Amino acid sequence: GNSVTQMEGPVTLSEEAFLTINCTYTATGYPSLFWYVQYPGEGLQLLLKATKADDKGSNKGFEATYRKETTSFHLEKGSVQVSDSAVYFCALSDLPGGGSYIPTFGRGTSLIVHP
Amino acid sequence: DSGVTQTPKHLITATGQRVTLRCSPRSGDLSVYWYQQSLDQGLQFLIQYYNGEERAKGNILERFSAQQFPDLHSELNLSSLELGDSALYFCASSARAASTDTQYFGPGTRLTVL
Repeated sequence: GNSVTQMEGPVTLSEEAFLTINCTYTATGYPSLFWYVQYPGEGLQLLLKATKADDKGSNKGFEATYRKETTSFHLEKGSVQVSDSAVYFCALSDLPGGGSYIPTFGRGTSLIVHP
Repeated sequence: DSGVTQTPKHLITATGQRVTLRCSPRSGDLSVYWYQQSLDQGLQFLIQYYNGEERAKGNILERFSAQQFPDLHSELNLSSLELGDSALYFCASSARAASTDTQYFGPGTRLTVL
């Protein structure tokens, strides 16, 4: 079946540091890939997405590139802020052959940014 | 604010009981998804409805059921509750049922089973 693997957290950084959160996936079809962010006490919200190989999703200084050859979708940001502290989820949506797109989420990576 | 509403925000009940969680999707969205989030299992996809019909099924227990009504709101029914059902339950909606669709999540319902 499909799966998404994220690096274990928490990731603790100082403000203005470079961020990378690794995400790799296994899918039977040709999935779309997403990063969602969850702030404390809230639901998830879309951060960025990519729908085909070599696409780069970007938003609010975050970027991720769809790498089909390495089945990866790593999240990066050049300079994190305290306000980026949250839990980040990598996800995919795939058509496994049953005619429906099944969403699969990683376990989430907690990011803590210190001033 | 995602535009997705969920009620109630918190629910405390006893083992063996039955509860109903309600979700109203964003205006114009036809798909509704239900998820369970717990510390040990992470975010698990339960079920999806599209325009009133069941579209996809994930890791949903037989004790759980859902439906989507003509006005597109959805309800998740949990019965014969067990301690392990304590979790955050999220509803999400999207415009259609395509793999490229962005899902918009509600604030969640926290269920505590005592």
